[in-house]
Amino acid sequence: AQSVTQLGSHVSVSEGALVLLRCNYSSSVPPYLFWYVQYPNQGLQLLLKYTSAATLVKGINGFEAEFKKSETSFHLTKPSAHMSDAAEYFCAVTQTGGYQKVTFGIGTKLQVIP
Amino acid sequence: EAQVTQNPRYLITVTGKKLTVTCSQNMNHEYMSWYRQDPGLGLRQIYYSMNVEVTDKGDVPEGYKVSRKEKRNFPLILESPSPNQTSLYFCASSSQGPRSNQPQHFGDGTRLSIL
Repeated sequence: AQSVTQLGSHVSVSEGALVLLRCNYSSSVPPYLFWYVQYPNQGLQLLLKYTSAATLVKGINGFEAEFKKSETSFHLTKPSAHMSDAAEYFCAVTQTGGYQKVTFGIGTKLQVIP
Repeated sequence: EAQVTQNPRYLITVTGKKLTVTCSQNMNHEYMSWYRQDPGLGLRQIYYSMNVEVTDKGDVPEGYKVSRKEKRNFPLILESPSPNQTSLYFCASSSQGPRSNQPQHFGDGTRLSIL
C-alpha cells in the first residue's frame, strides 16, 4: 500500500523566507498526490494536486510543488512566507490497485515568525 | 454555496452511549469519506462510500458504522463509544473516487470527547 512521509512535524520560517515542506511517497508507480492546508478550527482545503501533465504544479496562495519520480518526492514550496501561511499542511496519496482509499501524511505545522 | 456540513461540531458524551455524527453534501458528489485526526497521526480514513449503498472500510474502521441511503448523506455511527474514540472527525466528499484525481471537499470537523 502507498504511504506518505512528511519530514518535520513542525517547521518555523521567518516572514519573507523560503518555505519548504517535504513529502515522500512509497511507490515507484506515480500515484495521485495532493497537498491540503488546514487553518485553525477548520477543515482541510486543497492547495494543489499532481497530474501527469506537468511535474511542477502551481497551487493557491503562491504555493507550488514539484513531482520528482526519481526521488519519489512531492515537496511543497513557496518563495516568500507570509504570516497568513501559518497552518498545518498535509500531503496525501491515492492508493493504487483496486482501492479507493486516500492516505494522508502526519502533517507539518508551519510557524511563520515576524 | 458548495459545502460539506457536519453536525454536531462539538460533543461530549459518556462511554457506551450510542451517537451519530451527520454529514451532508450539496454537490451531488458520489464519493464520501470519514476521517479521524489525532495528534502525531495525521488523518486516518475510517470508512468511505463510492455511491448509494456502496461502502467500504478504510484503515481504522473498528468501532464505527456508516450508511449511505441517500447520495447526499453519510452518517457516522458509534454504537458503543469508548474513550479511545475521542478525536477530531472530518467528513469529506468528491465528485468521483480518489483514483479519478478529484480533490476532496472537507467539512469543518466534529470534536468528540468520550468520557
